[in-house]
Amino acid sequence: GAGVSQSPSNKVTEKGKDVELRCDPISGHTALYWYRQSLGQGLEFLIYFQGNSAPDKSGLPSDRFSAERTGGSVSTLTIQRTQQEDSAVYLCASSRREGSYNEQFFGPGTRLTVL
Amino acid sequence: GDSVTQMEGPVTLSEEAFLTINCTYTATGYPSLFWYVQYPGEGLQLLLKATKADDKGSNKGFEATYRKETTSFHLEKGSVQVSDSAVYFCALNYGGSQGNLIFGKGTKLSVKP
Repeated sequence: GAGVSQSPSNKVTEKGKDVELRCDPISGHTALYWYRQSLGQGLEFLIYFQGNSAPDKSGLPSDRFSAERTGGSVSTLTIQRTQQEDSAVYLCASSRREGSYNEQFFGPGTRLTVL
Repeated sequence: GDSVTQMEGPVTLSEEAFLTINCTYTATGYPSLFWYVQYPGEGLQLLLKATKADDKGSNKGFEATYRKETTSFHLEKGSVQVSDSAVYFCALNYGGSQGNLIFGKGTKLSVKP
């Protein structure tokens, strides 16, 4: 079956612009995670959804970052007024259920470059 | 808070050499432990996992044992191949709403023929 997909695969934007990154999880997976991979910081957790609700937003680096999930499926990560330090690869993962026993399947990522 | 520390790379080995990538963790509870692998140009994939102390995870010739006494989860393979060249990430998480993965910085492995 289809894996986790993300779009766009690459995004170049100018500082100060808003961007939206999309994640399509594996069908039937209720848990969805966003991570950020950057050279300086490694892989960082951003936000987690169980169904449409986000019990854990602790990893969002600032109030410029927000995310939503609709219909228990597609999720959108929005970064407002982008800064150069937002440049990174944004990864989405989904799992059948929440918790440690459930494998997280990762998408290919969106590479964001802020000029 | 919880954290994962893994050996810095890059690691360069010849084909058929023995591989060890060290991973230690700091945890407030009893996490599950994982190794993820990122092959060039591909996404992160789960390589193996262990959910409790003394468990051994294994896959594709790789092994790692969950050692609570040394808070370690070292990755080993007896004979590496060129196709094992990738970046390897050690990670931990907990159950329920704490299912987000906490990753180490990653170790890049290059295997030469």
